[in-house]
Amino acid sequence: AQKITQTQPGMFVQEKEAVTLDCTYDTSDPSYGLFWYKQPSSGEMIFLIYQGSYDQQNATEGRYSLNFQKARKSANLVISASQLGDSAMYFCAMTLRGQGGKLIFGQGTELSVKP
Amino acid sequence: NAGVTQTPKFQVLKTGQSMTLQCAQDMNHEYMSWYRQDPGMGLRLIHYSVGAGITDQGEVPNGYNVSRSTTEDFPLRLLSAAPSQTSVYFCASSTVAGAYTDTQYFGPGTRLTVL
Repeated sequence: AQKITQTQPGMFVQEKEAVTLDCTYDTSDPSYGLFWYKQPSSGEMIFLIYQGSYDQQNATEGRYSLNFQKARKSANLVISASQLGDSAMYFCAMTLRGQGGKLIFGQGTELSVKP
Repeated sequence: NAGVTQTPKFQVLKTGQSMTLQCAQDMNHEYMSWYRQDPGMGLRLIHYSVGAGITDQGEVPNGYNVSRSTTEDFPLRLLSAAPSQTSVYFCASSTVAGAYTDTQYFGPGTRLTVL
């Protein structure tokens, strides 16, 4: 069954340090996309970063990078130089070819950045 | 561009009432979708549309209807509200219909409570 697993319900990080949020996925389909979204306390869903299954290099977007390990089926989000504004829920999600664009979400990780 | 807009932001209904959640996008996106988010969970797909006049069911469609008469609008109708439909509802859109590589952008959400 296609599934996203985020095993860290909550995490703390010191301001200005880097943090890794874990995400593993389960699919036998070779064509898929992996996404990370941020949900601050205000509730909106903000797109952060995308990685395609055929992409050879890890995706990066500013302070965000995606550590894509295909053989291990993991797509961890790395946030460098954490800021107080990074405190939020983070969701990993997957889309599969031929499934109408459906996003399959994990349960999320709540990140708290300490000053 | 306003992006994806949703109205209302908050709504309280009584069991058995009907209502329509509005969603609009001004990016000329082909693909639009509705998700619900329950406490402590990721989002689940309710219905989606790959273009005007074309809709299909997602993972949790029961109790909801959709239609898409224009590219811009994708309303979600609750036929007879039940307490189990208490949730936060998100509308999303993306450029290309059903492409697994395409990023979906979310509206701000509607928080619905059914008493």
